[in-house]
Amino acid sequence: NAGVTQTPKFRILKIGQSMTLQCTQDMNHNYMYWYRQDPGMGLKLIYYSVGAGITDKGEVPNGYNVSRSTTEDFPLRLELAAPSQTSVYFCASSPLRTGRGETQYFGPGTRLLVL
Amino acid sequence: AQKITQTQPGMFVQEKEAVTLDCTYDTSDPSYGLFWYKQPSSGEMIFLIYQGSYDQQNATEGRYSLNFQKARKSANLVISASQLGDSAMYFCAMREGGRKNFNKFYFGSGTKLNVKP
Repeated sequence: NAGVTQTPKFRILKIGQSMTLQCTQDMNHNYMYWYRQDPGMGLKLIYYSVGAGITDKGEVPNGYNVSRSTTEDFPLRLELAAPSQTSVYFCASSPLRTGRGETQYFGPGTRLLVL
Repeated sequence: AQKITQTQPGMFVQEKEAVTLDCTYDTSDPSYGLFWYKQPSSGEMIFLIYQGSYDQQNATEGRYSLNFQKARKSANLVISASQLGDSAMYFCAMREGGRKNFNKFYFGSGTKLNVKP
C-alpha cells in the first residue's frame, strides 16, 4: 500500500518558470490537501479538496493553482515561480470524518528551490 | 488570531526523563479534534496521538499522552521516558469541521525537542 506519493522529491526552478507538483493517494480518501513548510516553521495550507471536482483556497493560495479531476490525484501548479516559493511542499489526504479522529496521511514532501 | 500556539521553539530533556510540550488552541466550534505529529530530521510527518473535543478521558498511545484541558483550551503532549530517537520537531494541529462539511487542519509552529544522553 503506497499511501500518499509525491513527485518530484527535489527540484530547482529559475525565477519565472512554472512546474507541477504531483500527488497521488491510493486510499480512496475524499479529502486532499497541499501544504508548504518554510524552514523552521509549521505547515500552512495552500489549497484543499473535498472530492473530485471540488477545490478551495487555504491560507496561502497566491501563486498556486490546483485541480482534482480524480479521487486519486491532486496536482499543485506553480505559475511564474518566485524565490518566496522556496519551501518544502507536503501533500496529504484524509477520509471522511467518522465521528472518531482520523488523521491526515502525509506524502514524503517535495523540496523546491527557486533561484 | 492564531488557531494553534506552541510557545516553546526548542526544548532539551535528559534521556529517560518525561517532557511536556505545550499547545493551546483557539476555536468556537464545539466539535474539533487535536493531533500531535512528529517530524524527524528526515522530514516525514508521523502521526502520534489524537484527542476529540468530546472525549472524556485524556488520550494515550504508548509513551505519548495528551493532557487535555478543555476549559483552558490546551492540549499538551507528554512524552514519558524520553529516548534519543524522540529528538525531532513536534507539531500540534487542530481540525475544525463541526459546522462545515470538510476537514480543515491548522498547525502550530512546532517545538524542536532535543534529547540529551
